Amino acid sequence: SSELTQDPAVSVALGQTVRITCQGDSLRSYYASWYQQKPGQAPVLVIYDKNNRPSGIPDRFSGSSSGDTASLTITGAQAEDEADYYCNSRDSSGNHLVFGGGTKLTVL
Amino acid sequence: QVQLVQSGAEVKKPGASVKVSCKASGYTFTGYYMHWVRQAPGQGLEWMGWINPNSGGTNYAQQFQGRVTMTRDTSITTAYMELSRLRSDDTAVYYCARNFPYGSKFLPGDWGQGTLVTVSS
Repeated sequence: SSELTQDPAVSVALGQTVRITCQGDSLRSYYASWYQQKPGQAPVLVIYDKNNRPSGIPDRFSGSSSGDTASLTITGAQAEDEADYYCNSRDSSGNHLVFGGGTKLTVL
Repeated sequence: QVQLVQSGAEVKKPGASVKVSCKASGYTFTGYYMHWVRQAPGQGLEWMGWINPNSGGTNYAQQFQGRVTMTRDTSITTAYMELSRLRSDDTAVYYCARNFPYGSKFLPGDWGQGTLVTVSS
Protein backbone atom coordinates (compact mmCIF):
# COMPACT_ATOMS: atom_id res chain seq x y z
CA SER A 1 0.00 0.00 0.00
CA SER A 2 1.13 3.52 -0.80
CA GLU A 3 1.95 6.09 1.88
CA LEU A 4 0.79 8.77 -0.56
CA THR A 5 -2.91 8.90 -1.42
CA GLN A 6 -4.34 10.25 -4.68
CA ASP A 7 -7.85 10.33 -6.07
CA PRO A 8 -8.13 7.59 -8.70
CA ALA A 9 -9.75 9.78 -11.34
CA VAL A 10 -10.41 13.44 -12.07
CA SER A 11 -11.98 15.16 -15.06
CA VAL A 12 -11.74 18.71 -16.40
CA ALA A 13 -13.37 20.60 -19.25
CA LEU A 14 -11.04 21.73 -22.01
CA GLY A 15 -9.43 25.05 -21.11
CA GLN A 16 -10.46 24.92 -17.47
CA THR A 17 -8.32 24.56 -14.36
CA VAL A 18 -7.87 21.29 -12.49
CA ARG A 19 -6.13 20.41 -9.25
CA ILE A 20 -4.80 16.93 -8.51
CA THR A 21 -3.95 16.23 -4.89
CA CYS A 22 -1.59 13.91 -3.03
CA GLN A 23 -1.87 13.33 0.69
CA GLY A 24 0.60 11.78 3.12
CA ASP A 25 2.28 12.40 6.45
CA SER A 26 5.74 12.52 4.88
CA LEU A 27 4.69 15.59 2.87
CA ARG A 28 4.92 17.61 6.07
CA SER A 29 8.69 17.04 5.91
CA TYR A 30 9.57 16.41 2.26
CA TYR A 31 8.72 17.99 -1.08
CA ALA A 32 6.49 16.23 -3.59
CA SER A 33 7.27 15.83 -7.24
CA TRP A 34 4.87 14.99 -10.06
CA TYR A 35 5.02 12.79 -13.14
CA GLN A 36 2.81 12.56 -16.21
CA GLN A 37 2.43 9.20 -17.93
CA LYS A 38 0.60 8.62 -21.19
CA PRO A 39 -0.43 5.12 -22.32
CA GLY A 40 2.48 2.99 -23.43
CA GLN A 41 5.05 5.63 -22.51
CA ALA A 42 7.53 6.16 -19.72
CA PRO A 43 6.69 8.75 -17.07
CA VAL A 44 7.78 12.36 -17.56
CA LEU A 45 8.76 14.63 -14.68
CA VAL A 46 6.56 17.75 -14.77
CA ILE A 47 7.08 19.30 -11.32
CA TYR A 48 9.89 18.72 -8.85
CA ASP A 49 10.49 19.83 -5.31
CA LYS A 50 7.01 21.27 -4.81
CA ASN A 51 6.90 23.91 -7.59
CA ASN A 52 9.76 23.71 -10.06
CA ARG A 53 9.29 22.86 -13.72
CA PRO A 54 11.94 21.01 -15.74
CA SER A 55 12.93 22.56 -19.01
CA GLY A 56 10.28 22.05 -21.68
CA ILE A 57 7.32 21.66 -19.35
CA PRO A 58 4.58 24.23 -20.10
CA ASP A 59 3.96 26.87 -17.47
CA ARG A 60 0.32 25.83 -17.17
CA PHE A 61 1.66 23.14 -14.80
CA SER A 62 2.33 24.29 -11.25
CA GLY A 63 2.70 22.74 -7.84
CA SER A 64 1.93 23.72 -4.29
CA SER A 65 1.82 22.24 -0.83
CA SER A 66 0.07 22.79 2.48
CA GLY A 67 0.46 20.58 5.52
CA ASP A 68 0.19 16.95 4.52
CA THR A 69 -1.17 17.64 1.03
CA ALA A 70 0.62 18.48 -2.20
CA SER A 71 -1.21 19.64 -5.32
CA LEU A 72 -0.57 19.73 -9.04
CA THR A 73 -2.56 22.41 -10.84
CA ILE A 74 -3.07 22.57 -14.58
CA THR A 75 -4.34 26.02 -15.58
CA GLY A 76 -6.10 25.88 -18.92
CA ALA A 77 -6.03 22.12 -19.46
CA GLN A 78 -5.33 20.93 -23.00
CA ALA A 79 -6.37 17.72 -24.70
CA GLU A 80 -2.78 16.52 -24.62
CA ASP A 81 -2.77 16.77 -20.82
CA GLU A 82 -5.03 13.71 -20.62
CA ALA A 83 -2.84 11.18 -18.84
CA ASP A 84 -2.10 9.48 -15.54
CA TYR A 85 -0.40 11.66 -12.94
CA TYR A 86 1.72 10.35 -10.09
CA CYS A 87 3.10 12.18 -7.09
CA ASN A 88 6.18 11.00 -5.24
CA SER A 89 8.17 11.91 -2.20
CA ARG A 90 10.28 10.31 0.46
CA ASP A 91 8.57 7.96 2.86
CA SER A 92 8.13 8.69 6.56
CA SER A 93 11.61 7.32 7.32
CA GLY A 94 13.15 9.71 4.82
CA ASN A 95 15.29 6.91 3.41
CA HIS A 96 13.14 5.62 0.60
CA LEU A 97 11.03 6.93 -2.24
CA VAL A 98 7.33 6.26 -2.56
CA PHE A 99 4.80 6.97 -5.30
CA GLY A 100 1.16 7.79 -4.94
CA GLY A 101 -1.35 5.44 -6.52
CA GLY A 102 -1.89 7.74 -9.48
CA THR A 103 -4.75 9.90 -10.81
CA LYS A 104 -6.26 9.40 -14.23
CA LEU A 105 -7.04 12.81 -15.73
CA THR A 106 -9.72 13.02 -18.39
CA VAL A 107 -10.04 16.21 -20.43
CA LEU A 108 -13.62 16.60 -21.62
CA GLN B 1 21.28 14.21 -24.92
CA VAL B 2 20.63 11.75 -22.14
CA GLN B 3 19.73 8.27 -23.36
CA LEU B 4 18.88 5.20 -21.33
CA VAL B 5 18.45 2.07 -23.45
CA GLN B 6 17.17 -1.01 -21.68
CA SER B 7 17.43 -4.67 -22.60
CA GLY B 8 14.61 -6.52 -24.28
CA ALA B 9 11.55 -8.27 -22.95
CA GLU B 10 11.97 -11.40 -20.86
CA VAL B 11 9.78 -14.39 -20.04
CA LYS B 12 10.69 -16.28 -16.89
CA LYS B 13 9.30 -19.14 -14.86
CA PRO B 14 8.35 -18.73 -11.21
CA GLY B 15 11.37 -19.11 -8.96
CA ALA B 16 13.82 -17.98 -11.61
CA SER B 17 15.85 -14.75 -11.72
CA VAL B 18 15.93 -11.94 -14.25
CA LYS B 19 18.64 -9.38 -14.93
CA VAL B 20 17.69 -6.17 -16.76
CA SER B 21 20.32 -3.83 -18.17
CA CYS B 22 20.24 -0.08 -18.73
CA LYS B 23 22.86 1.40 -21.07
CA ALA B 24 23.43 5.11 -20.35
CA SER B 25 24.86 7.71 -22.70
CA GLY B 26 24.97 11.47 -23.14
CA TYR B 27 26.13 12.32 -19.63
CA THR B 28 28.70 11.41 -16.96
CA PHE B 29 27.46 8.00 -15.83
CA THR B 30 29.08 8.15 -12.40
CA GLY B 31 27.63 11.57 -11.63
CA TYR B 32 23.98 10.63 -11.08
CA TYR B 33 22.16 8.01 -9.05
CA MET B 34 20.19 5.47 -11.07
CA HIS B 35 16.72 4.45 -9.93
CA TRP B 36 14.74 1.36 -10.78
CA VAL B 37 10.94 1.60 -10.85
CA ARG B 38 8.43 -1.01 -11.91
CA GLN B 39 4.83 -0.92 -13.09
CA ALA B 40 2.57 -3.96 -13.09
CA PRO B 41 -0.04 -4.14 -15.88
CA GLY B 42 -2.71 -1.50 -15.31
CA GLN B 43 -1.16 -0.51 -11.99
CA GLY B 44 0.85 2.38 -10.58
CA LEU B 45 4.56 3.06 -10.23
CA GLU B 46 6.59 1.26 -7.57
CA TRP B 47 10.09 2.37 -6.58
CA MET B 48 12.54 -0.50 -6.19
CA GLY B 49 15.68 1.37 -5.19
CA TRP B 50 18.71 3.21 -6.48
CA ILE B 51 22.39 2.65 -7.08
CA ASN B 52 25.17 5.20 -6.83
CA PRO B 53 27.17 4.40 -9.99
CA ASN B 54 30.23 6.12 -8.55
CA SER B 55 30.57 4.07 -5.37
CA GLY B 56 28.30 1.12 -6.12
CA GLY B 57 26.33 1.88 -2.98
CA THR B 58 22.67 0.86 -3.06
CA ASN B 59 19.41 1.69 -1.34
CA TYR B 60 16.61 -0.83 -1.78
CA ALA B 61 12.93 -0.48 -1.00
CA GLN B 62 12.02 -2.64 1.98
CA GLN B 63 9.65 -4.87 0.01
CA PHE B 64 12.49 -5.95 -2.31
CA GLN B 65 15.24 -6.41 0.29
CA GLY B 66 16.81 -9.82 -0.12
CA ARG B 67 15.47 -10.33 -3.65
CA VAL B 68 16.90 -7.43 -5.62
CA THR B 69 20.50 -6.65 -6.52
CA MET B 70 21.52 -3.48 -8.32
CA THR B 71 24.97 -3.29 -9.87
CA ARG B 72 26.82 -1.28 -12.47
CA ASP B 73 29.73 -1.55 -14.86
CA THR B 74 31.28 1.89 -15.24
CA SER B 75 33.52 0.76 -18.11
CA ILE B 76 30.44 0.34 -20.32
CA THR B 77 28.19 2.87 -18.54
CA THR B 78 25.57 0.25 -17.81
CA ALA B 79 23.41 -0.33 -14.75
CA TYR B 80 21.79 -3.66 -13.93
CA MET B 81 18.84 -4.77 -11.83
CA GLU B 82 18.54 -8.44 -10.91
CA LEU B 83 15.40 -9.77 -9.25
CA SER B 84 15.40 -13.30 -7.89
CA ARG B 85 12.79 -15.82 -6.77
CA LEU B 86 10.34 -14.44 -9.28
CA ARG B 87 6.60 -14.75 -8.68
CA SER B 88 3.69 -14.14 -11.01
CA ASP B 89 3.05 -10.77 -9.38
CA ASP B 90 6.51 -9.63 -10.45
CA THR B 91 5.15 -9.41 -13.99
CA ALA B 92 5.68 -5.75 -14.83
CA VAL B 93 7.47 -3.18 -16.93
CA TYR B 94 10.77 -2.35 -15.25
CA TYR B 95 12.25 1.12 -15.80
CA CYS B 96 15.63 2.59 -15.07
CA ALA B 97 15.71 6.34 -14.48
CA ARG B 98 18.60 8.72 -14.01
CA ASN B 99 18.29 11.01 -11.02
CA PHE B 100 17.33 14.52 -12.02
CA PRO B 101 20.29 16.93 -12.03
CA TYR B 102 18.58 19.40 -9.68
CA GLY B 103 17.08 18.55 -6.33
CA SER B 104 17.57 15.58 -4.03
CA LYS B 105 18.86 12.09 -4.84
CA PHE B 106 15.28 10.83 -4.62
CA LEU B 107 14.13 12.26 -7.93
CA PRO B 108 13.96 10.00 -11.01
CA GLY B 109 14.33 12.35 -13.98
CA ASP B 110 15.18 10.81 -17.36
CA TRP B 111 13.65 7.38 -17.93
CA GLY B 112 14.52 4.38 -20.05
CA GLN B 113 11.98 2.87 -22.42
CA GLY B 114 11.08 0.08 -20.03
CA THR B 115 11.57 -3.69 -20.10
CA LEU B 116 8.60 -6.03 -19.85
CA VAL B 117 9.26 -9.01 -17.61
CA THR B 118 6.61 -11.71 -17.71
CA VAL B 119 6.61 -14.42 -15.07
CA SER B 120 4.59 -17.43 -16.12
CA SER B 121 4.75 -21.17 -15.78
